[in-house]
Amino acid sequence: GAVVSQHPSWVICKSGTSVKIECRSLDFQATTMFWYRQFPKQSLMLMATSNEGSKATYEQGVEKDKFLINHASLTLSTLTVTSAHPEDSSFYICSARDRVSGGDKETQYFGPGTRLLVL
Amino acid sequence: AQSVTQPDIHITVSEGASLELRCNYSYGATPYLFWYVQSPGQGLQLLLKYFSGDTLVQGIKGFEAEFKRSQSSFNLRKPSVHWSDAAEYFCAVFGAGSYQLTFGKGTKLSVIP
Repeated sequence: GAVVSQHPSWVICKSGTSVKIECRSLDFQATTMFWYRQFPKQSLMLMATSNEGSKATYEQGVEKDKFLINHASLTLSTLTVTSAHPEDSSFYICSARDRVSGGDKETQYFGPGTRLLVL
Repeated sequence: AQSVTQPDIHITVSEGASLELRCNYSYGATPYLFWYVQSPGQGLQLLLKYFSGDTLVQGIKGFEAEFKRSQSSFNLRKPSVHWSDAAEYFCAVFGAGSYQLTFGKGTKLSVIP
């Protein structure tokens, strides 16, 4: 149980284009999803917290207009990197909390990540 | 604000040897603590977690961790390491006030056959 998927697993795009990354909870309903960014050989940095049906909460220093987050259903959150530039190249990982089925509020289940390369 | 320190950036052990990965946390109240493992190019898999109760927590893949409040530590252990355990290990603390996980910088484990 508690499986989270991400699509695509990797993407290469040209500078200036937009890229959408999907995060799905496959066997549970996730009222809250999180988006992280991980640079090579570094830890995870929380970008934003996404609550179903409401606006995402962004961490300090994360551009809201550049990283658009939508959490339209209890099983899907999307991260859109708008007008991507080479410095946006990174590994993006989502996670989800299972609250609906009685899961604890503290445990997050992580997706496999999406590697973005902007040329 | 909570913080997590993993003092060892890289550890190398021989297959079959015992393993201990260190984790120290800073948090004002009773912490909720986690260990995750990340294989190259993959997401994070939950190994174990501590919320309350018995301070020795058993996890998947033969891992265990011990919570020591007096030392603000939550070290991960395994009695006999397998080559497949080679990966990056992250310790994390959950902040009840922020509802967020704060991760340490990770420890890379290499296993010598």
